[in-house]
Amino acid sequence: DGGITQSPKYLFRKEGQNVTLSCEQNLNHDAMYWYRQDPGQGLRLIYYSQIVNDFQKGDIAEGYSVSREKKESFPLTVTSAQKNPTAFYLCASSAQGAPWEQYFGPGTRLTVT
Amino acid sequence: GENVEQHPSTLSVQEGDSAVIKCTYSDSASNYFPWYKQELGKGPQLIIDIRSNVGEKKDQRIAVTLNKTAKHFSLHITETQPEDSAVYFCAASIISGGYNKLIFGAGTRLAVHP
Repeated sequence: DGGITQSPKYLFRKEGQNVTLSCEQNLNHDAMYWYRQDPGQGLRLIYYSQIVNDFQKGDIAEGYSVSREKKESFPLTVTSAQKNPTAFYLCASSAQGAPWEQYFGPGTRLTVT
Repeated sequence: GENVEQHPSTLSVQEGDSAVIKCTYSDSASNYFPWYKQELGKGPQLIIDIRSNVGEKKDQRIAVTLNKTAKHFSLHITETQPEDSAVYFCAASIISGGYNKLIFGAGTRLAVHP
């Protein structure tokens, strides 16, 4: 099956620790995205990558970092500098030529205490 | 900056009734408007989209309309069923710094009661 996988589904961390969220896709999509979702709010863009080894900050990049070493993978690190990291994180991808037809993974719910 | 406003935030209907969700966008250059459905604990799923050269698009029980002059677009669900209960997001395309992005509305929680 083609699709986007995110792991784990639930993640718990202590305050002050960095944590990396996984995102893998086998859709052969060039572009990948990370969004944050909070209750009652829309999806806010954290980082996005149009091609391998290139990525851009989204609207709320502070306290986050990413890498794009492979086309299939776009991991997100939530650093200790992120002041309010508890949220639902969604990864998405889109094909070249259809940049706005984004396909989402199932999400990771991160809880930091 | 660019934004998308979505109304209502919650919507409750009886099974069989129609549901309408409305969005307004700010960037006149936006030309692609997708709608996503998010079920509890899952990622959003693209259910329908409309492009700026089209005024209306239908797919079975769902339809989208676009008024570019007024910068409004809407999602219409007819003959609602309990399985339509979910959060619905509208979005508008923008080009920022040479890159393509989507700006999302805040979402509408639709509840369809049997």
